[in-house]
Amino acid sequence: GAGVSQSPRYKVAKRGQDVALRCDPISGHVSLFWYQQALGQGPEFLTYFQNEAQLDKSGLPSDRFFAERPEGSVSTLKIQRTQQEDSAVYLCASSLDRRQETQYFGPGTRLLVL
Amino acid sequence: AQSVTQLDSQVPVFEEAPVELRCNYSSSVSVYLFWYVQYPNQGLQLLLKYLSGSTLVESINGFEAEFNKSQTSFHLRKPSVHISDTAEYFCAVISNTGGFKTIFGAGTRLFVKA
Repeated sequence: GAGVSQSPRYKVAKRGQDVALRCDPISGHVSLFWYQQALGQGPEFLTYFQNEAQLDKSGLPSDRFFAERPEGSVSTLKIQRTQQEDSAVYLCASSLDRRQETQYFGPGTRLLVL
Repeated sequence: AQSVTQLDSQVPVFEEAPVELRCNYSSSVSVYLFWYVQYPNQGLQLLLKYLSGSTLVESINGFEAEFNKSQTSFHLRKPSVHISDTAEYFCAVISNTGGFKTIFGAGTRLFVKA
């Protein structure tokens, strides 16, 4: 594909529901990142993959958040037992190599937890 | 921990006027610095970056930013703005002392008026 794609673009969940957010990075990109962007704020780092290896998950806010990239391409961010404070835009980005100098961002998934 | 401060949350300016969007980061041994732009209803795009070498970096649409190590700043400037420059601008830093995690500022909304 031409760029990073994310699905769904919008998700409304009831509190306590589990959600799964998908990211399709640019083909061949080694590095993949997830960010959380609250309203009126900049993106906040959640986790980083280099191929299938999750090298940094220090930004995941709780053990309800889980990310995977099993084959080193598509990634899924899962949030279990969603809470209202999880409402945000979730951004995925990829970069060609490990140096992460240029990240290409997807359009984001806007999650609203009621 | 590394942090990025964007001093202005909103900057209104008239078309063809100059503009400066300010960005300061917390001190670190070695950093890469970035400006990203988010146009309405679009994803984040890299505008320009400083990795090494010349402290003045330019984008293809007339923006420039200067890395000032002594002041830990990376302000973004444009001598004459257009209506189409209306967007949210995010300053970001990668520090190689922090696991190559990208830290974003809260963003500055540039609003260009006719």
